[in-house]
Amino acid sequence: DNVLTQSPGTLSLSPGETATLSCRASQSVTSNYLAWYQQKPGQAPRLLIYAASGRATGIPDRFGGSGSETDFTLTISGLEPEDFAVYYCQQYGSSPATFGGGTKVEIK
Amino acid sequence: QVQVVQSGAAVKKPGASVKVSCKTSGYIFPGYYIHWVRQAPGQGPEWMGWINPKSGDTSYAQKFQGRVSMTRDTSISTADLELSRLRSDDTAVYYCAISDYAFDAYEIWGQGTMVRVSS
Repeated sequence: DNVLTQSPGTLSLSPGETATLSCRASQSVTSNYLAWYQQKPGQAPRLLIYAASGRATGIPDRFGGSGSETDFTLTISGLEPEDFAVYYCQQYGSSPATFGGGTKVEIK
Repeated sequence: QVQVVQSGAAVKKPGASVKVSCKTSGYIFPGYYIHWVRQAPGQGPEWMGWINPKSGDTSYAQKFQGRVSMTRDTSISTADLELSRLRSDDTAVYYCAISDYAFDAYEIWGQGTMVRVSS
């Protein structure tokens, strides 16, 4: 299985700051099929980014994805109050699809 | 407008089976894959498998082989997940999610179904 490791585990930032989240894969992600999801308590994950850098429908442009092969980054430029949540990366290029352990972005 | 509504929470004893339903509307049901993903308390999501509603073909994660069954009823646009021989570590929220292809991100999710396994 392609194991995804996310860092840091927790990111403490203030509104308006920029968040940089990392996702590292144990094997190259086929076709850079790497997605990022946001999850708030009691809710299902929400797709933000697909194929490493494609923004999902309705996602604000302050969310940006980059990277390739084994190293991927989610950048949130100018944190809004509603952005404080847990973020997961997922690779779906090979079976089984796998998720990272998550990064919590909390208010400092 | 696509809607995905899952069945309600369940409490089961170890060794029992559970069935979770995922009723969809607002799109062409056979045209999209349905994945099942679970999330144990405080943990990241875990992919369990998918079903192609058009053909009925399935793909299961190795971890669940022999214990999981994914089925669909195209007449009512519903997909079901059945997990047998439940253990306490099967306690989780179970989600269905829709994608265009087998290898694809999941843009639409159900609201989740809490399954608790406890003696």
